[in-house]
Amino acid sequence: GQNIDQPTEMTATEGAIVQINCTYQTSGFNGLFWYQQHAGEAPTFLSYNVLDGLEEKGRFSSFLSRSKGYSYLLLKELQMKDSASYLCAVKTTSGTYKYIFGTGTRLKVLA
Amino acid sequence: EAGVAQSPRYKIIEKRQSVAFWCNPISGHATLYWYQQILGQGPKLLIQFQNNGVVDDSQLPKDRFSAERLKGVDSTLKIQPAKLEDSAMYLCASSLDGAGTYYGYTFGSGTRLTVV
Repeated sequence: GQNIDQPTEMTATEGAIVQINCTYQTSGFNGLFWYQQHAGEAPTFLSYNVLDGLEEKGRFSSFLSRSKGYSYLLLKELQMKDSASYLCAVKTTSGTYKYIFGTGTRLKVLA
Repeated sequence: EAGVAQSPRYKIIEKRQSVAFWCNPISGHATLYWYQQILGQGPKLLIQFQNNGVVDDSQLPKDRFSAERLKGVDSTLKIQPAKLEDSAMYLCASSLDGAGTYYGYTFGSGTRLTVV
């Protein structure tokens, strides 16, 4: 079956670094996305990995290991506005493209 | 470019009533998705359209939910009759093609439905 696991909640301090992990078991893997979602708002795109390795984009980086079914999102120099849910989503192809979302990790940044 | 437009932003109805949500995707985006997101959970795909044809509606509760995409552009999602467990955020998203490619896809601002 298709399954994506993320921690439910994490807490970190302003200015620190936090790593949010995501493990997946899917068929027809075709890429992994990270989205940020503030409470009551729609998800917004953060990053995309389709090949193994690290993708860096400013304060945010995302890593993928396809052989291990594992990804992480790394947030550096945390700011209060980074308090949000972070959704891991896997794109799969089984005749048609489909996105499967994890339940999200709620990150609280403390002053 | 204009984003994905959704309306209404909020809706409160009583159980057993009906409700409809509207979505206008980004111009030129062939693929349109409706997601249901219950508080504290990730989005769950309800239905996926490619132009005006249904690609995947395997998780759509067809006894009460229906959706259509007129002329491959706007889409409406209807619930009739609503149940308490339908309380959720309903998200519409669109992409250039089914791949979503590098940018994933763009979500609308969502409709927050409360069934009382």
